[in-house]
Amino acid sequence: GAGVSQSPSNKVTEKGKDVELRCDPISGHTALYWYRQSLGQGLEFLIYFQGNSAPDKSGLPSDRFSAERTGGSVSTLTIQRTQQEDSAVYLCASSLDRGRAYEQYFGPGTRLTVT
Amino acid sequence: AQTVTQSQPEMSVQEAETVTLSCTYDTSESDYYLFWYKQPPSRQMILVIRQEAYKQQNATENRFSVNFQKAAKSFSLKISDSQLGDAAMYFCAYIEGGTSYGKLTFGQGTILTVHP
Repeated sequence: GAGVSQSPSNKVTEKGKDVELRCDPISGHTALYWYRQSLGQGLEFLIYFQGNSAPDKSGLPSDRFSAERTGGSVSTLTIQRTQQEDSAVYLCASSLDRGRAYEQYFGPGTRLTVT
Repeated sequence: AQTVTQSQPEMSVQEAETVTLSCTYDTSESDYYLFWYKQPPSRQMILVIRQEAYKQQNATENRFSVNFQKAAKSFSLKISDSQLGDAAMYFCAYIEGGTSYGKLTFGQGTILTVHP
C-alpha cells in the first residue's frame, strides 16, 4: 500500500505570505504527527492528531502556526505571515493509532524556503 | 523533560568496516522505546532499529545492532560490514510508552560518511 505522502515537495514563498502544507497518512492510520527539521533547532515535534482532534499542540512555535485534520485523514499545516526562520523541512508521520505511536511512518517531507 | 544527546556530529568509516554511533538520553520514565532512524539525502526517515526499554536483550537487524545500557541511559548503534548505502544522517530518538503521548524526541543527528 501507499506510504505517507506530502505535498508540495518543495515550496518557496516570500516573507509575509501564508503557506499550506499537506499530509496524506497511510490509509487506516488514525494518528498523525507533524515535525519540523531546521538547521538551528534540529528535529522538533509540532503537533499530533488522534482522529480529527489534536490533544497536544504544545510544539507549535507560535500562533502563526495552525493545523487541522478533517475526515480523520488528510492534515494541513498552515503557516501565516511566514518568516525566514520558518524555513525548514516539515515532516509528517502516521501510526495505526496513538497507542502505536512507537511505529510512526514518515513521509518525504516538504522543504519550505522563505525568501 | 526527556532529552536525547548525540555527541558525534560526524563519523566516517571505511567500506566493510564497523562503526559505532553514540547516543545518551535522559528520562524518569520506565516504559519507553528508543530508535535509530536513517535519513539519506532524499529526506525520507527510515527506521533502522527499535528497542523496547523493558527488554534486556539488545535489538539486532541484520548488520545493525544496538548496545542498550538502561542504567547508564546509553543507546549506541553498531553498523557492521559498512556499505556505501549506509551513508546518511542518523538520528537517535525516544518515545514514552503507553498511550499518554505520541511525541518522538530526537537527538541532533550524526552524519555518517562511508569511504570506498
